[in-house]
Order: sequence, then structure tokens, then C-alpha cells
Amino acid sequence: AQSVTQPDIHITVSEGASLELRCNYSYGATPYLFWYVQSPGQGLQLLLKYFSGDTLVQGIKGFEAEFKRSQSSFNLRKPSVHWSDAAEYFCAVGGSGGYNKLIFGAGTRLAVHP
Amino acid sequence: GAGVSQSPRYKVAKRGQDVALRCDPISGHVSLFWYQQALGQGPEFLTYFQNEAQLDKSGLPSDRFFAERPEGSVSTLKIQRTQQEDSAVYLCASSLAGVNTEAFFGQGTRLTVV
Repeated sequence: AQSVTQPDIHITVSEGASLELRCNYSYGATPYLFWYVQSPGQGLQLLLKYFSGDTLVQGIKGFEAEFKRSQSSFNLRKPSVHWSDAAEYFCAVGGSGGYNKLIFGAGTRLAVHP
Repeated sequence: GAGVSQSPRYKVAKRGQDVALRCDPISGHVSLFWYQQALGQGPEFLTYFQNEAQLDKSGLPSDRFFAERPEGSVSTLKIQRTQQEDSAVYLCASSLAGVNTEAFFGQGTRLTVV
């Protein structure tokens, strides 16, 4: 069955510290992988996506993610966190053909201490 | 409009009442998705439209849920005889052509059934 696991429900980091949010997926075909961010009362905003090619992808707001097929992982990273990064982060997987729906993880809530 | 617009933003319904949630996608976007996001969870797929055709409704939880997009633009998600378990945020997303292109999400409609 297709699924996405985000092992960390809550993460707290200090401003300026590095960040890594974990994502593992289970998908039978070639996956398309996404990270979205959701601020309170806001819709989901796409941070970055992986379809093919270079396994290290760059996104907006200084985020990057690395696709590791052998580990079925797509972890999100940022070298220096800003207070404005506090939000909920969702990893999602979709299919490589047609419209396919996105399957989301349960999310990781990020808190940033000054 | 500039983004995906959903209305109302908040809806309180008495148990047993029918509700209708509206989604205005980005002009020209062929694909339209509805998701349900329960408190503390990631979004879960409900249904997908390509223009006016509903190609996938596998995520609709029961026959009380009905969605339409009659002219291939605005979409309405209708829930009949609402129940407490229907309380959630309902998210609409649109994209130029399927999940392979970026999906833009609305801010959602928070439905509370009392």
C-alpha cells in the first residue's frame, strides 16, 4: 500500500540551527515526491518536488531535500532556521503517470526558539 | 483570481444538516482536487476532476459526499446529513495538468458539526 511516514510529530530548534525533517515512503512505482509547508490558517505551499534526475533538489526559502531510493527517504533540510520557518511540514508522494492523487504524511510541526 | 479561493472559510453545521463548500480554482487550471484534513493529520484525498469530468472519487468516505464541477471551473463539495466525524478542514487544490504540475491549495473551509 502507498504510504508516507513522518516519524517526528514535533521538532523544536533554535533560530540559526540546522534542520532535518524525516520522510519515508512506500510506493510501488517510481514516486514523485513533494514537501509542503502549512502556516496557521493558510493553505499548503509547495517547497520543492522531486520527479527525476539529480537526487538533491533545491526549493524555496532555502530548503533542500535529498531522495534516497535505497532508504525510501526524502528528508528535508535547511542549514540555518529562521523564526518565520515555524509551521507544519508535510511530505507527500504521487505517481509518475497521469494526474495521480497525492498521499500525505501526518506532518511535522516545527517550533523555533529565539 | 490570483489563487485558489474557497468559501466559506468557516462553517458550523448542526448534525443532520446539508452543507455546500465552494472552490474557485486558478483560471485555466484543468485539474481540481478535494482533500479532507482532520485535526492533527495530513490531508487525505477525496476526489479529482479533469475539467468537468470526475475521474476519481475513490476517497469520498460515504455516499453522503458528492462533488461536482459542471462547467470545468468552479467546484462544489456537498455533504448531506452531516455527522460529527465530518468535522475537518476541506482543502481544494488546482493545477494546470495533474500532480505532475504544481498543485496550488486554497486556505480551506473549516467545517464543525455540532
